[in-house]
Amino acid sequence: SQQGEEDPQALSIQEGENATMNCSYKTSINNLQWYRQNSGRGLVHLILIRSNEREKHSGRLRVTLDTSKKSSSLLITASRAADTASYFCATYNYGGSQGNLIFGKGTKLSVKP
Amino acid sequence: EADIYQTPRYLVIGTGKKITLECSQTMGHDKMYWYQQDPGMELHLIHYSYGVNSTEKGDLSSESTVSRIRTEHFPLTLESARPSHTSQYLCASKYQGEAFFGQGTRLTVV
Repeated sequence: SQQGEEDPQALSIQEGENATMNCSYKTSINNLQWYRQNSGRGLVHLILIRSNEREKHSGRLRVTLDTSKKSSSLLITASRAADTASYFCATYNYGGSQGNLIFGKGTKLSVKP
Repeated sequence: EADIYQTPRYLVIGTGKKITLECSQTMGHDKMYWYQQDPGMELHLIHYSYGVNSTEKGDLSSESTVSRIRTEHFPLTLESARPSHTSQYLCASKYQGEAFFGQGTRLTVV
């Protein structure tokens, strides 16, 4: 079963605007990660935030994590047309034997020039 | 770019054929995964491996099988392809929590 649920499913913005995507999950986690997928390609790792962290930055990306609400957000500032892609959150927890990465449904971001 | 490779990138085959999707990584990672993804949809874990001779089924039931005879190689096989197998198949390896993906194989069964 899917662990994460991204919101919104699709987002369309103008270049230069900020894009915010949210992710909710169900079980306890060790870390949460965000990935980007260009159309028809594999996923690329963007950022990882551990369960004991609340906020993390990487370039134009800002990720927050609220373990009490089991939610995370990804903010892309000053968006560019090249940011157009699908963004997935993935949770990692030591369930079962060694745990696996479970992905959400993704947010499809479209940045118009 | 991660050193994980999938071949072929695109494959169109007839119903009933046996096919093997190849996945290789040169990073020496023990953990490897196969995900199935329909266009614009979520990823479903279908197989994983924690090392040589270790294979497990994932959350989504799949008629495919996998093997892990060498660390760097994790092929996926469909004994008899059906149109319902049409999808994109993504291979990944994982190290210290981070997953590295191949470019995917887009399979069409006609």
